[in-house]
Amino acid sequence: ETGVTQTPRHLVMGMTNKKSLKCEQHLGHNAMYWYKQSAKKPLELMFVYSLEERVENNSVPSRFSPECPNSSHLFLHLHTLQPEDSALYLCASSQGSTGGIGNSPLHFGNGTRLTVT
Amino acid sequence: EDQVTQSPEALRLQEGESSSLNCSYTVSGLRGLFWYRQDPGKGPEFLFTLYSAGEEKEKERLKATLTKKESFLHITAPKPEDSATYLCAVQPPSPSYNTDKLIFGTGTRLQVFP
Repeated sequence: ETGVTQTPRHLVMGMTNKKSLKCEQHLGHNAMYWYKQSAKKPLELMFVYSLEERVENNSVPSRFSPECPNSSHLFLHLHTLQPEDSALYLCASSQGSTGGIGNSPLHFGNGTRLTVT
Repeated sequence: EDQVTQSPEALRLQEGESSSLNCSYTVSGLRGLFWYRQDPGKGPEFLFTLYSAGEEKEKERLKATLTKKESFLHITAPKPEDSATYLCAVQPPSPSYNTDKLIFGTGTRLQVFP
């Protein structure tokens, strides 16, 4: 397995359900990200983890809860979502810098297409 | 406010008909500009990074250029397999250099017909 792998590829859930999205990277990177992609909108950064520590949280509602147990795995726990949360959720990783300028590109998974009914 | 604008929103080309996609930005102290390609049902795939005005990079039929206010992605003699959405992203200055925060545009959807 190479690159960034996301599971499941598709998820349909009701507003009262609890589910989790999983991401695994096999690139040896030390930073991982969750992005939300909605139709005709720019990719929206949700969470960033660097060296397993959360360093960015872009005012995301608490119904989204990230978890990064190690540098290769990232989860997004979902509960009591709203229909407007339906979107493509993308995981990415990069080799973040440790003091210099971080210009390394993001490597994305193929996303989880989430539908909230 | 830092912003990235891509144009056109959609572009239809005949195979072999060269054209350019535009990415304009309002970011001071740009650290890098990235181009990605996204196929339907897939995540974005990295194409290029540009760091300074005047820089150019090429890959097959694609060439990316950068000025102080915009970047162009030139597509020479495109083929149907070049059909995809092309995303531009800029990396502004950040108080923390330990992560890579990008500002994305909404993309240009390119369709190339045989």
